[in-house]
Amino acid sequence: GAVVSQHPSRVICKSGTSVKIECRSLDFQATTMFWYRQFPKQSLMLMATSNEGSKATYEQGVEKDKFLINHASLTLSTLTVTSAHPEDSSFYICSPVSTVNEQFFGPGTRLTVL
Amino acid sequence: ELKVEQNPLFLSMQEGKNYTIYCNYSTTSDRLYWYRQDPGKSLESLFVLLSNGAVKQEGRLMASLDTKARLSTLHITAAVHDLSATYFCAVFEGSNYKLTFGKGTLLTVNP
Repeated sequence: GAVVSQHPSRVICKSGTSVKIECRSLDFQATTMFWYRQFPKQSLMLMATSNEGSKATYEQGVEKDKFLINHASLTLSTLTVTSAHPEDSSFYICSPVSTVNEQFFGPGTRLTVL
Repeated sequence: ELKVEQNPLFLSMQEGKNYTIYCNYSTTSDRLYWYRQDPGKSLESLFVLLSNGAVKQEGRLMASLDTKARLSTLHITAAVHDLSATYFCAVFEGSNYKLTFGKGTLLTVNP
C-alpha cells in the first residue's frame, strides 16, 4: 500500500516561532496535496489544496500568509505555520492524491504552541 | 456547499450488540468513504463506496450507499471492544476533488 510520512510527528514550540511540517509520499507521486487540521474532538477541516508547482488554494477563513504551503515536487509538500500562537495548536494531516486519483492520509503532526 | 451529517455523534454499545451509523449528504456525489480514527492517530481507510446500492463488508463492519437518498450506513454487527474508535464518513466532491467530512461518531464498546 501507499506510504505517506509526516515529520515531525509531534512538535512543541513557543508562541511567535515558525514550524515547518513535511509530508512525503514515499512510493508514489502526488499531483495534488490536501492539508487538513483537526482540533480536539472535532472533524477534519480542509485548510488548503495544492498542485505540484502551483500556488496553493486556501479555504475560506484560512490565512495564506500564516500557513505557507510549498509543493515543489511530486513527493514532498511542506506546511509552515508562521508566528504560531496557542490557537494554532492542532493535529495537522496531509493527504496526497496519486496520479490515479487515490487519496491517502499521512500519520499527522501534533502541534502544541505554548 | 456540500453538507455531510453523521449521526449519532456518540454511541455507547454493549459487546455483542448491533448498531448503525448514518451519514446523510446534501448534494449529488458518486463516491463516499468511511474512515476509522483511533485516539492520537490519523485516519484509517475502511471502505470506499462508488455506486448506488454498493455494499461492502469487512469483518463486523458493513457499509452501504444509497445515492438517491444521499445516505450511507455503517452497520456494526456483534460489537467487540476493539471497534471502539471514532468513525467518519466523507463525501467526494467531483467538481473540485475535495472530501467533505462528517463530524464523526465516537463509538465506545463496553464489555
